[in-house]
Amino acid sequence: AQKITQTQPGMFVQEKEAVTLDCTYDTSDPSYGLFWYKQPSSGEMIFLIYQGSYDQQNATEGRYSLNFQKARKSANLVISASQLGDSAMYFCAMREGKGTDKLIFGTGTRLQVFP
Amino acid sequence: NAGVTQTPKFRVLKTGQSMTLLCAQDMNHEYMYWYRQDPGMGLRLIHYSVGEGTTAKGEVPDGYNVSRLKKQNFLLGLESAAPSQTSVYFCASSSLLGDEQFFGPGTRLTVL
Repeated sequence: AQKITQTQPGMFVQEKEAVTLDCTYDTSDPSYGLFWYKQPSSGEMIFLIYQGSYDQQNATEGRYSLNFQKARKSANLVISASQLGDSAMYFCAMREGKGTDKLIFGTGTRLQVFP
Repeated sequence: NAGVTQTPKFRVLKTGQSMTLLCAQDMNHEYMYWYRQDPGMGLRLIHYSVGEGTTAKGEVPDGYNVSRLKKQNFLLGLESAAPSQTSVYFCASSSLLGDEQFFGPGTRLTVL
């Protein structure tokens, strides 16, 4: 069974608009972490935001926020005020438990921002 | 700080050849990882290490070996390359208490 599911292969958004990228996860471990990474066309993996399973508040980092709904097992990334430079692949990932920090990645969503 | 570096950036091999990919980090991180990324898929963990002298298998370890003789270096070896190992390989590292994994720039490997 897929541990991390990203159901949107591609998304389009107009510049300055907000966009939500979906991510659902599956784990029975009460302690886990959820990550979002950005991969531009140049290929590097850029860390965006992190949410721990015990965190009470949704994580925010500048224009990025994570809509964490624990009961639904979803961790959607919200990008506000999209910019052309946001065009990239976005990957959701999960770390189960503690101790090894192994990440399980979803298949990614390609976001394209148009003027 | 260079962060995480990978050598080489590109490589073309013939089936059956061997090679070693080098990953180095200067952040004194305990944990290091090797992932592969194939088209249409996310990154998949090949092997990882939780400290100098230790290694463990990840999700897709077959055909690869690793070594962590020094804390700052993590080597990924292909003893007999196969076309199925054509991929982009990423190395990453993280600290014991850290949340973020820091990634290298990737190595694009083609096996003919």
